[in-house]
Amino acid sequence: DTQMTQSPSSLSASVGDRVTITCRASRSIRTYLNWYQQKPGKAPKLLISAASTLQSGVPSRFSGSGSGTDFTLTISSLQPEDFATYYCQQSYITPITFGQGTRLEIK
Amino acid sequence: QVQLVQSGAEVKKPGASVRVSCKASGYTFNTYDINWVRQATGQGLEWMGWMNPNNGNTGYAEKFQGRVTMTRNTSINTAYMELNSLRSEDTAVYFCARVSRMMNWFDPWGQGTLLTVSS
Repeated sequence: DTQMTQSPSSLSASVGDRVTITCRASRSIRTYLNWYQQKPGKAPKLLISAASTLQSGVPSRFSGSGSGTDFTLTISSLQPEDFATYYCQQSYITPITFGQGTRLEIK
Repeated sequence: QVQLVQSGAEVKKPGASVRVSCKASGYTFNTYDINWVRQATGQGLEWMGWMNPNNGNTGYAEKFQGRVTMTRNTSINTAYMELNSLRSEDTAVYFCARVSRMMNWFDPWGQGTLLTVSS
């Protein structure tokens, strides 16, 4: 299976901060890397697909980059509604696998 | 708009079976795969498998092989996930998700169905 390792597992930050979350795959997944945001009691929401494509309606402060094995999700200026858990997902090969999640908390 | 609506919460005893439904609307049901993902309380996301609504083909995560069955009823645009021989560790929220035909991202997701397995 393709292991997805996210870091950090949790992060405390303030409104207005720039935040970067990284995701590393155990093998090359080209750009088959997606980022999801999940708030408590809700389903995950797709933010970025194919490593860097921002989904319609997602604020431009979110961005993604990377290819192969190393990927990043950056939030340029945190807003109160961004405090949530973020997951990366590889969709290159089954079994589909997710990172363990990064919990973004208010400092 | 594209939407997946799942069936309601379930409480089952160990050893029982459960079937969760996922009704699609806003698109042509048989043109996108449906995947199932589960999430235990406070835990991460665990992929269970996929189903092609057009031909009924399926693929399951090794962990669930022999215990899970994914089916569909195209006349009512609904996908199903049945899990057998339930144990307490199966207590989780179960999500269905539509899979992109391009690079297999999941969008949208159903709202989730809480399954509680308890004696």
